[in-house]
Amino acid sequence: SQQGEEDPQALSIQEGENATMNCSYKTSINNLQWYRQNSGRGLVHLILIRSNEREKHSGRLRVTLDTSKKSSSLLITASRAADTASYFCATDDISNAGNMLTFGGGTRLMVKP
Amino acid sequence: KAGVTQTPRYLIKTRGQQVTLSCSPISGHRSVSWYQQTPGQGLQFLFEYFSETQRNKGNFPGRFSGRQFSNSRSEMNVSTLELGDSALYLCASSLGQGVWGYTFGSGTRLTVV
Repeated sequence: SQQGEEDPQALSIQEGENATMNCSYKTSINNLQWYRQNSGRGLVHLILIRSNEREKHSGRLRVTLDTSKKSSSLLITASRAADTASYFCATDDISNAGNMLTFGGGTRLMVKP
Repeated sequence: KAGVTQTPRYLIKTRGQQVTLSCSPISGHRSVSWYQQTPGQGLQFLFEYFSETQRNKGNFPGRFSGRQFSNSRSEMNVSTLELGDSALYLCASSLGQGVWGYTFGSGTRLTVV
């Protein structure tokens, strides 16, 4: 089963604009991760934020986490056409005994040149 | 270092047949997990192996099974294939508890006809 929803499901922006994607989840987590997927290929790990962190940066990516609201957001600044992909949030739940991610439904981002 | 290798990349099978997919993790990674991705259900966790032991199992029927070898390579098997098993199957490897994120392979695209 999926952890929660991502919002929006699809997003179309112009190159140079910022893109913001939101993710909601339902359980208590160890960490939350964001992945990118190009055209049905494998997932690429972008960034991981731990449950005791509120914000994290990596290059043009900024992730926030609000555990009280069980939500996270991914901001891509100064977007490029190459950022066109699907973006997924995934949670590592506290109840997990081993390695297991629960994914959201994803946001399809299109960046127009 | 080499990434996660999944073979084959594409596979077409007939209903009722069985199939075996292979995943070679990054050297030194002892955890291998498998995910199924379909347009309708999204990304769903199948199972995870660590040092040849299954640690977690998702909500899939017994037709889905897997194993891990002493060199950490993993295989998953689907018996008595159904049309609904058509999907992209992804495996991911991690060093330990996955606290740094996971590295995914490019996936095996299975089509059942």
